[in-house]
Amino acid sequence: GQQLNQSPQSMFIQEGEDVSMNCTSSSIFNTWLWYKQDPGEGPVLLIALYKAGELTSNGRLTAQFGITRKDSFLNISASIPSDVGIYFCAGRMDSSYKLIFGSGTRLLVRP
Amino acid sequence: GAVVSQHPSWVICKSGTSVKIECRSLDFQATTMFWYRQFPKQSLMLMATSNEGSKATYEQGVEKDKFLINHASLTLSTLTVTSAHPEDSSFYICSAHAPTTNEQFFGPGTRLTVL
Repeated sequence: GQQLNQSPQSMFIQEGEDVSMNCTSSSIFNTWLWYKQDPGEGPVLLIALYKAGELTSNGRLTAQFGITRKDSFLNISASIPSDVGIYFCAGRMDSSYKLIFGSGTRLLVRP
Repeated sequence: GAVVSQHPSWVICKSGTSVKIECRSLDFQATTMFWYRQFPKQSLMLMATSNEGSKATYEQGVEKDKFLINHASLTLSTLTVTSAHPEDSSFYICSAHAPTTNEQFFGPGTRLTVL
């Protein structure tokens, strides 16, 4: 099935550092979502973006909906060990509610 | 917040048997639910869209006769893996669309291992 291009594939950072990851697509999306998945669990919604150019924060997390509607990024500031996990972007094209997921970014934080 | 549960959380079965996985929206009604499959170190791949009171819509390449989906009520969808084989071993995750927030909330997943 179709997937979004998500990068980087993995990151190993020091606690306290900032993190940035992004997703790109050849298709236009109406909604961009960012999820975090812990091992053996389902994804948990972090941030939802609904308008091109929208910049939204959730605590130390900030995400933006690209102007072209074909990309989005997620920033995590001052990382902590509990930020460890896999982060997925997801896009929605139409009113069918179907989501297309990125390939994921595995984040490891060194205390 | 919206809560989605799955049962069982893990199952081990013999090749050739059928396995049923339940997905429930606990505090909201969901006319639309989704079933995903996730192989190790890979992303979530949508298998099918489950619509309450009507037939499921399957993604290309997903065998509808092998993965039976029933969405008989506004809070329950079931996925039955028929005649399971080792290659069906995977992490199956459901999600439910919450009309009030217009977002999908995911269940905790079911780990299926076919011996």
